[in-house]
Amino acid sequence: SQTIHQWPATLVQPVGSPLSLECTVEGTSNPNLYWYRQAAGRGLQLLFYSVGIGQISSEVPQNLSASRPQDRQFILSSKKLLLSDSGFYLCASSRGNQPQHFGDGTRLSIL
Amino acid sequence: SQQGEEDPQALSIQEGENATMNCSYKTSINNLQWYRQNSGRGLVHLILIRSNEREKHSGRLRVTLDTSKKSSSLLITASRAADTASYFCATDAITSGTYKYIFGTGTRLKVLA
Repeated sequence: SQTIHQWPATLVQPVGSPLSLECTVEGTSNPNLYWYRQAAGRGLQLLFYSVGIGQISSEVPQNLSASRPQDRQFILSSKKLLLSDSGFYLCASSRGNQPQHFGDGTRLSIL
Repeated sequence: SQQGEEDPQALSIQEGENATMNCSYKTSINNLQWYRQNSGRGLVHLILIRSNEREKHSGRLRVTLDTSKKSSSLLITASRAADTASYFCATDAITSGTYKYIFGTGTRLKVLA
């Protein structure tokens, strides 16, 4: 089965600093990959999804970007973080319409 | 948007009781899924029900789907303290051949020992 690795687990960054969160997938090839953000006590907001290397779709306009340099690697980035970028970031993987597998997330706090 | 809405937002029950959570959505779907999230962790898939199915069971879980009302329910029978978590429904949306999932706002379940 698929295993999703995310790091770091926790990150505290100052406003205006850059960001790079990494997600790697084991146990499958050519997956669909997803980045979600979850505000405290809320549901998941889809930020980006990717169907293949270099193919990124953005769901909402924002201060973040995503890249997929390898088949099983998905990176979430920002050049300058805003206070509103705080949240719990989750990476997920799936094949077709099969259930999604999630990593354990990165809790990002912006000071 | 096609966001699901769970009801209730929070639920507190005694161990051994049944817990029922409801999910409503807005547009046609191919399938609906339920996920569980322990505090501070990622989501774990529980069960998937297809649009042509009305009921599905998995262990102590029972899911129903009413496509005419655009709603689903998740029943957890004989609840345990370990069932304490947030539960989310997710509906699929196919965009340009890619499957995306729209998650609801979740129900926070607390099972008291």
